[in-house]
Amino acid sequence: GAVVSQHPSRVICKSGTSVKIECRSLDFQATTMFWYRQFPKQSLMLMATSNEGSKATYEQGVEKDKFLINHASLTLSTLTVTSAHPEDSSFYICSAAWGRNQPQHFGDGTRLSIL
Amino acid sequence: AQSVTQPDIHITVSEGASLELRCNYSYGATPYLFWYVQSPGQGLQLLLKYFSGDTLVQGIKGFEAEFKRSQSSFNLRKPSVHWSDAAEYFCAVGDISNFGNEKLTFGTGTRLTIIP
Repeated sequence: GAVVSQHPSRVICKSGTSVKIECRSLDFQATTMFWYRQFPKQSLMLMATSNEGSKATYEQGVEKDKFLINHASLTLSTLTVTSAHPEDSSFYICSAAWGRNQPQHFGDGTRLSIL
Repeated sequence: AQSVTQPDIHITVSEGASLELRCNYSYGATPYLFWYVQSPGQGLQLLLKYFSGDTLVQGIKGFEAEFKRSQSSFNLRKPSVHWSDAAEYFCAVGDISNFGNEKLTFGTGTRLTIIP
């Protein structure tokens, strides 16, 4: 089946650091990728939607200058958390879909901890 | 805007017993509905989805769900649970994004515990 790889699975860094998370579709070309954030014991909240070669569409309340999303190819999207602070600590999950009306396939998530 | 309610935060069932997880949605048109399962520290796996047609949907791992428009519900069922079914279950409703894919709105999840 469709596989989405997310890297790293866990990152711990100091406040003020920028962190990049990669999301790769391994066996299909992802025309659309989604980035979610999940707080402990809570649901997933959509942060942004990106189409290959286009700017990401951010959900209301998500700072686009804080969470930089690049979808440079059909198999790779990156989320960069710039100047991360402890309140950015969370579980970030990406998903990818290969066409219109196709289901999303999720990565295994990245646990980000900012000290 | 669409929304999803999962009334049960935590459910405990015995192995071999039947299971029903509740999901209610709010959406202005015919919804796209999904059930996902999440194991600790991992991403989500799609169990099943409803787009149109037969209101009883079969999924993987022996799960099924029934879409009931009159009740705005999409409950997940399994006749006999296995210990490996212990996980977090999320119901979601999809809205077509600008790119033609579903923007998913998730419920708060139901944590399933299986006891021997």
